Amino acid sequence: QVQLQESGPGLVKPSETLSLTCTVSGGSISSYYWSWIRQPPGKGLEWIGYIYYSGSTNYNPSLKSRVTISVDTSKNQFSLKLSSVTAADTAVYYCAMDYGGNPPLYWGQGTLVTVSS
Amino acid sequence: EIVMTQSPATLSVSPGERATLSCRASQSVSSNLAWYQQKPGQAPRLLIYGASTRATGIPARFSGSGSGTEFTLTISSLQSEDFAVYYCQQYNNWPSLTFGGGTKVEIK
Repeated sequence: QVQLQESGPGLVKPSETLSLTCTVSGGSISSYYWSWIRQPPGKGLEWIGYIYYSGSTNYNPSLKSRVTISVDTSKNQFSLKLSSVTAADTAVYYCAMDYGGNPPLYWGQGTLVTVSS
Repeated sequence: EIVMTQSPATLSVSPGERATLSCRASQSVSSNLAWYQQKPGQAPRLLIYGASTRATGIPARFSGSGSGTEFTLTISSLQSEDFAVYYCQQYNNWPSLTFGGGTKVEIK
């Protein structure tokens, strides 16, 4: 079974760049489709964006200008960068996997990122 | 963007009773609709995909129905472990995904 684990700083200053990595185990990152999803405290879920191992990406239009998702197949990892963060970007960030054309099946446990000075 | 609207926001149900949750899409998503369960401090868990197909390991008391713009998740007899927040999600525009605002199922 595929397992995912998010990692990165839990505190980011306003206007800086949030950077997170998702490490995949139990399966090859070259076989499936990978996404980032976030959830502000006490609120609902928001899809951030998507990457395939080839590097093809797709981003939420509302975040597109600030988001970059990349993949490192040699490390079985993919990453999220969100620039110019504000307090509104405070959330639990999840990485997730699906088989393509399907809803995310496997999720990481999530990591809380707080934007504060 | 397809907007997903869930109702009610909170549903109070006694253990053993039936719970019926609704989800509406702003435009047709065919049967490309999933339901997730989320408990405090945990990641969402996929319950239903294709509007009505249970994911692996999901008990038969969970059932989904609907197509187009109107969908329902039914929990036939609520168990203590079913009290949680439930989200619907459309993937008709995959890889672009949108989620509903959630329905919290609480103990009456």
